[in-house]
Amino acid sequence: EAGVVQSPRYKIIEKKQPVAFWCNPISGHNTLYWYRQNLGQGPELLIRYENEEAVDDSQLPKDRFSAERLKGVDSTLKIQPAELGDSAVYLCASSLDRVSETQYFGPGTRLLVL
Amino acid sequence: SQQGEEDPQALSIQEGENATMNCSYKTSINNLQWYRQNSGRGLVHLILIRSNEREKHSGRLRVTLDTSKKSSSLLITASRAADTASYFCATDGGYGNKLVFGAGTILRVKS
Repeated sequence: EAGVVQSPRYKIIEKKQPVAFWCNPISGHNTLYWYRQNLGQGPELLIRYENEEAVDDSQLPKDRFSAERLKGVDSTLKIQPAELGDSAVYLCASSLDRVSETQYFGPGTRLLVL
Repeated sequence: SQQGEEDPQALSIQEGENATMNCSYKTSINNLQWYRQNSGRGLVHLILIRSNEREKHSGRLRVTLDTSKKSSSLLITASRAADTASYFCATDGGYGNKLVFGAGTILRVKS
């Protein structure tokens, strides 16, 4: 069974530029999560989707961050414009449904904003 | 904000020794989970312990939970070089609640 797929794995951009991350969850997983992990810290949830619906986006900086999950499968997380403080690893995870307790993580996208 | 706090922040041991990591949290939980993260990789789920459980085993892993003290420990027995990684505890407040991670313990197992 294929795991959670993320691309790109690495991204270097200059501040004020836009950037997008893509995630393909495990087949059949209805719940999808985006986390941000700063250096030396644990992941922090940015947004959670149940199928196409964003059910928890309280930690998403909505002035510059946006996300979508069209058709309830793949998801894209966008930052526009990027700031220096956005440098981090962006992790995508999925679970079977909102009741499932185990989350399966992708390898992450490491973003460096110069 | 981080719910859990791991202790120690870093741990270095010899191969074959046991490694113990502790996690403290602040609010009531439905379950507590431990994840491992190898350098530059995503997190891998290791073990889950529910709030009504006190101890759980999985292979060389042993997890304990003390809800009165709001703390948990992860014991890795007979460590191997391949156990070198960061270990995170994560608390789940219940149905519909998000998983909140601690800052992690960096474990280095020297061969």
